[in-house]
Amino acid sequence: GAVVSQHPSRVICKSGTSVKIECRSLDFQATTMFWYRQFPKQSLMLMATSNEGSKATYEQGVEKDKFLINHASLTLSTLTVTSAHPEDSSFYICSARDYGGGVETQYFGPGTRLLVL
Amino acid sequence: DAKTTQPPSMDCAEGRAANLPCNHSTISGNEYVYWYRQIHSQGPQYIIHGLKNNETNEMASLIITEDRKSSTLILPHATLRDTAVYYCIVRGPNTGGFKTIFGAGTRLFVKA
Repeated sequence: GAVVSQHPSRVICKSGTSVKIECRSLDFQATTMFWYRQFPKQSLMLMATSNEGSKATYEQGVEKDKFLINHASLTLSTLTVTSAHPEDSSFYICSARDYGGGVETQYFGPGTRLLVL
Repeated sequence: DAKTTQPPSMDCAEGRAANLPCNHSTISGNEYVYWYRQIHSQGPQYIIHGLKNNETNEMASLIITEDRKSSTLILPHATLRDTAVYYCIVRGPNTGGFKTIFGAGTRLFVKA
């Protein structure tokens, strides 16, 4: 299947700093990418839909000014956690939507583990 | 909210078939059934999907009932590495623009 990468795989930062996470589709173009957050022993929670060339759409309860999303190209979306706090520590996962051959599939990245001290 | 219902956990003996059920009684006509799995501390892995016909690939088989209200993912010969959380997803153009909404999934334990 198609490959989606994330960078970094893990990051530790101090409270109050900002962290940028990259999501790349390596062998296909993705006009739509999604960002998820997963806390320990819980399922993935959709945070936002990232659309190339337009503003992201955020799920209810997700602060758009805290979680900045930029989808500047067909293969790259970034999530910036601004002024991170310990409660933002989580596993962040992206997915990219592939619509090749008339069949819609979404492929997920390996995730980024964020720890805010 | 997720549109699917799955048992929280299942056990399977290594080498035997693992049959994971999923109920999706409110599925719409243009929505597909997708299965993903998540091995600990990794991103979800795509397994298989289908609309109404049964599907098979190198990883698994997907059996969808005629009324499309339920499906079963079959891992024909489960191995220890198949231990993971398996998510059954219903998704289509009317699902908020192909959003993938995860439920709790089924935690499959494959035992030696």
